[in-house]
Amino acid sequence: EAQVTQNPRYLITVTGKKLTVTCSQNMNHEYMSWYRQDPGLGLRQIYYSMNVEVTDKGDVPEGYKVSRKEKRNFPLILESPSPNQTSLYFCASSYTGTGGLEAFFGQGTRLTVV
Amino acid sequence: TQLLEQSPQFLSIQEGENLTVYCNSSSVFSSLQWYRQEPGEGPVLLVTVVTGGEVKKLKRLTFQFGDARKDSSLHITAAQPGDTGLYLCAGRSGTYKYIFGTGTRLKVLA
Repeated sequence: EAQVTQNPRYLITVTGKKLTVTCSQNMNHEYMSWYRQDPGLGLRQIYYSMNVEVTDKGDVPEGYKVSRKEKRNFPLILESPSPNQTSLYFCASSYTGTGGLEAFFGQGTRLTVV
Repeated sequence: TQLLEQSPQFLSIQEGENLTVYCNSSSVFSSLQWYRQEPGEGPVLLVTVVTGGEVKKLKRLTFQFGDARKDSSLHITAAQPGDTGLYLCAGRSGTYKYIFGTGTRLKVLA
């Protein structure tokens, strides 16, 4: 079954404690991205990756890092989380064909930073 | 910064009614997509429109891309409770960037 898997689904952490949210896809997609979803603000792109070892900033990259060492995985790293990073996070992957970047989304990670 | 504004933000209607959701921008997009998201889940792609003026139908849902590729609409005929959810439009900006709209939360009452 084609899917994007995020872990963990729920996470409560304290300010400043480094954390990683993992994302893995089994569709051999080149393109992967991370979003955060906040009430009234919709989905905002944090980082994206066009292929292995190629990443770029989205609209809200501050406070986040990513890496793409292998095609299937695209972890999101928060080196020093702060309460304003409390949000619902989604990973997505796409095949970079013509037309739209039809995205397959993971089920989300709800992060609370206290 | 490119923005995609959706209207209305919230919509509560009775089963069987028709509705239209709008997605507007001052920017041109090379393609536009519509997603539906249910609570606790990630967005699921409904359709992609690429050509200005394009109309696509998915059962009771009709999607249209504006002639200038700056706006889109989603029309639902005879809405059903199963249509309840958050509808999101997303525009492709450049080669790899996505811009998402703020969403329209639809509730269809039985």
